[in-house]
Amino acid sequence: GAVVSQHPSWVICKSGTSVKIECRSLDFQATTMFWYRQFPKQSLMLMATSNEGSKATYEQGVEKDKFLINHASLTLSTLTVTSAHPEDSSFYICSARTREARSEQFFGPGTRLTVL
Amino acid sequence: AQKITQTQPGMFVQEKEAVTLDCTYDTSDPSYGLFWYKQPSSGEMIFLIYQGSYDQQNATEGRYSLNFQKARKSANLVISASQLGDSAMYFCAMREGWSTLTFGKGTMLLVSP
Repeated sequence: GAVVSQHPSWVICKSGTSVKIECRSLDFQATTMFWYRQFPKQSLMLMATSNEGSKATYEQGVEKDKFLINHASLTLSTLTVTSAHPEDSSFYICSARTREARSEQFFGPGTRLTVL
Repeated sequence: AQKITQTQPGMFVQEKEAVTLDCTYDTSDPSYGLFWYKQPSSGEMIFLIYQGSYDQQNATEGRYSLNFQKARKSANLVISASQLGDSAMYFCAMREGWSTLTFGKGTMLLVSP
């Protein structure tokens, strides 16, 4: 299957700093990328959907000024958590999809963010 | 109303036995897809199997099969000949039309020797 990478795989930062997470599709062109967050022992919650070259669509309750998403190319999307606080500590997972209707979503390995 | 319901928070099965993980869904869209993902403790989401709403036959992928009952709106995952490495969290998900995936709450499967 197609490969999606995320970097970094884990990050610890101080409260108030910003953290950028990269998501790359390594062997296919991702027309659409998704960002999820997952709290311990819970399901994945969609944060936003981004199509290459256009602004991300955020889910209700997700602050777009806090979680900045950039989908600058067909192989790269970034999520920046601005002015991170301890409550932002979570597992962030990106996913990518191609144009085909039956295309499954390929998931990255996730990034564990801990804000002290 | 929840779109994907997984009623089993946890399941136990003995090695080499079969196990069924339940999933029911709710949609009025005639075109949808149903997915099962496995999430081990490492956190990565591993795609297991896909069933399209218009597919006539139940999907199968190796030891995984999907028991698709459209009238009942259920899409149970059957794992045959369980292995210790099958211990993980399992998520059922649905995509309506071109929308993104909606996940259920998951079922934790523990396989014992």
